[in-house]
Amino acid sequence: DTAVSQTPKYLVTQMGNDKSIKCEQNLGHDTMYWYKQDSKKFLKIMFSYNNKELIINETVPNRFSPKSPDKAHLNLHINSLELGDSAVYFCASSQASDTQYFGPGTRLTVL
Amino acid sequence: GDSVTQMEGPVTLSEEAFLTINCTYTATGYPSLFWYVQYPGEGLQLLLKATKADDKGSNKGFEATYRKETTSFHLEKGSVQVSDSAVYFCALIDSGGGADGLTFGKGTHLIIQP
Repeated sequence: DTAVSQTPKYLVTQMGNDKSIKCEQNLGHDTMYWYKQDSKKFLKIMFSYNNKELIINETVPNRFSPKSPDKAHLNLHINSLELGDSAVYFCASSQASDTQYFGPGTRLTVL
Repeated sequence: GDSVTQMEGPVTLSEEAFLTINCTYTATGYPSLFWYVQYPGEGLQLLLKATKADDKGSNKGFEATYRKETTSFHLEKGSVQVSDSAVYFCALIDSGGGADGLTFGKGTHLIIQP
């Protein structure tokens, strides 16, 4: 009964490839997020999304795009992967601006 | 913009020692404050939170008090255990709404030795 789940847990790929990370929440929340954690453990918001609005952090390259097929899912698509994209990506969800609950993370390694 | 500053560590303590991890913040609005914990190889778990001045959040023996006058939210525990070894993140979300996401500190790596 995982509240926020992500797949895959590990993703190893070559530079230039396109990949997706899936996120699902079963908490009935209306807002979902993607965060990036770099090698120094620093966490930064990439996107937040509810059924009305997508907020994009201005530092995120447009190779990254969130896609939400429904309220419970927010997938992250990454085109033309670069070495610097290697990181741990966390999905999270909340009800409006209340507490955010995080998924287990996806460790992306770009070779 | 908003920011969170916390001691980065690593902080190494012996079991049963008293723990303080300092956290200060700057925010344009009136934020809610959080401590999250990340155990090795895992995701982030909410440890405690406080939503207004003088609120005290507590969980699993950890406590933190929202101090508006000093813009601080220091994490404390009276007697740490080896199982508390983890990375601790202080974070805030501004009163303007959640759409901008959490602003995190850089994390404090805590190591508890038996």
